[in-house]
Amino acid sequence: DQQVKQNSPSLSVQEGRISILNCDYTNSMFDYFLWYKKYPAEGPTFLISISSIKDKNEDGRFTVFLNKSAKHLSLHIVPSQPGDSAVYFCAAGGLRDNDMRFGAGTRLTVKP
Amino acid sequence: GAGVSQSPSNKVTEKGKDVELRCDPISGHTALYWYRQSLGQGLEFLIYFQGNSAPDKSGLPSDRFSAERTGGSVSTLTIQRTQQEDSAVYLCASSLAGMSTDTQYFGPGTRLTVL
Repeated sequence: DQQVKQNSPSLSVQEGRISILNCDYTNSMFDYFLWYKKYPAEGPTFLISISSIKDKNEDGRFTVFLNKSAKHLSLHIVPSQPGDSAVYFCAAGGLRDNDMRFGAGTRLTVKP
Repeated sequence: GAGVSQSPSNKVTEKGKDVELRCDPISGHTALYWYRQSLGQGLEFLIYFQGNSAPDKSGLPSDRFSAERTGGSVSTLTIQRTQQEDSAVYLCASSLAGMSTDTQYFGPGTRLTVL
């Protein structure tokens, strides 16, 4: 069962513009959410996280928004850079759990 | 190297053969995870080791899959009698203490192709 869904397999944006990657989850018990970034031939690397007590977390050009009522989170990258081109995975789980559920990933391409 | 390493990076095998995939976690990390990513799918949790506790095997898709972690460090994922649907990238990750809030550090993965 796909408890975490990333419905857009790919996204293309122009350099300097905003990239918005979306993620939906079904389990209302999830209270911790992460985004990972993956380059080809490498493992995913942690990007940013948010817990359910917040609705926004910002780290430089990256901001994650959480809408608990809609069971939706999004990652905003602004301004987008060509080096941001990668596959982005959304992950969700419980703060007291040890396994995170991952989405299928969204391939972001930032065009110069 | 300070990161998680996995070997081999690529493995091609014939249907019905057994394969072993290896993971070397970051030194000092007590938690180790195995995931797989099939084409078009998300990262699928397979198994989790935490210290000396019994592993959480809840994600293993069948009894053909097994994993060991020797001495709290290196882990081996074994797939017996491989099937074509086992073809995927198998990723290993480690974290400091296995809490959800601990960052998982991933290895580069092993791409398994079953012909």
